Amino acid sequence: GNSVTQMEGPVTLSEEAFLTINCTYTATGYPSLFWYVQYPGEGLQLLLKATKADDKGSNKGFEATYRKETTSFHLEKGSVQVSDSAVYFCALTGTASKLTFGTGTRLQVTL
Amino acid sequence: DAMVIQNPRYQVTQFGKPVTLSCSQTLNHNVMYWYQQKSSQAPKLLFHYYDKDFNNEADTPDNFQSRRPNTSFCFLDIRSPGLGDAAMYLCATSIGGDSYEQYFGPGTRLTVT
Repeated sequence: GNSVTQMEGPVTLSEEAFLTINCTYTATGYPSLFWYVQYPGEGLQLLLKATKADDKGSNKGFEATYRKETTSFHLEKGSVQVSDSAVYFCALTGTASKLTFGTGTRLQVTL
Repeated sequence: DAMVIQNPRYQVTQFGKPVTLSCSQTLNHNVMYWYQQKSSQAPKLLFHYYDKDFNNEADTPDNFQSRRPNTSFCFLDIRSPGLGDAAMYLCATSIGGDSYEQYFGPGTRLTVT
């Protein structure tokens, strides 16, 4: 079946540091890949997506590239802010319109 | 703005007392989902509706039921809440099909006393 593996958190960074959160997946076929962000006490918000190999999703300074050869979709940001502190979930679509989530990575950005 | 709305945002119920959580959407999406999320965990899919077709996950307890009276509304009924059912409940919608993202509501935090 489908699965998503994310690096364990928490990840603690100083403001303006470079961020990478690793995500790898196992899936049959050609899934779409997503990053969702969840701020404390809130629902999940779609951060970015990629629907085919070599696509790059980007939003709010975050980027991730769909790498079929390494089955990866790592999230990056060049300069994080305190307001980026949240939990980040990597996910993929499978059959029947369902999402498979990774376990989530908590990011804490300090001044 | 088109959106997914969940009411209430916070719900307190007593052990064993039935409770209903509601979700509405203005996106006119075909699919509506209910997730349970416990602290520091990924959301766990309970069930979803594709139009009027109900799809239950194999490991969803019978204590959890759902209704979708029309395209816009979907309800989660917990017939006899236990302490272990305290969680955030998230509603989401999708156009349908394998490529499309899901749009989440803000969630309802359920407390069981």
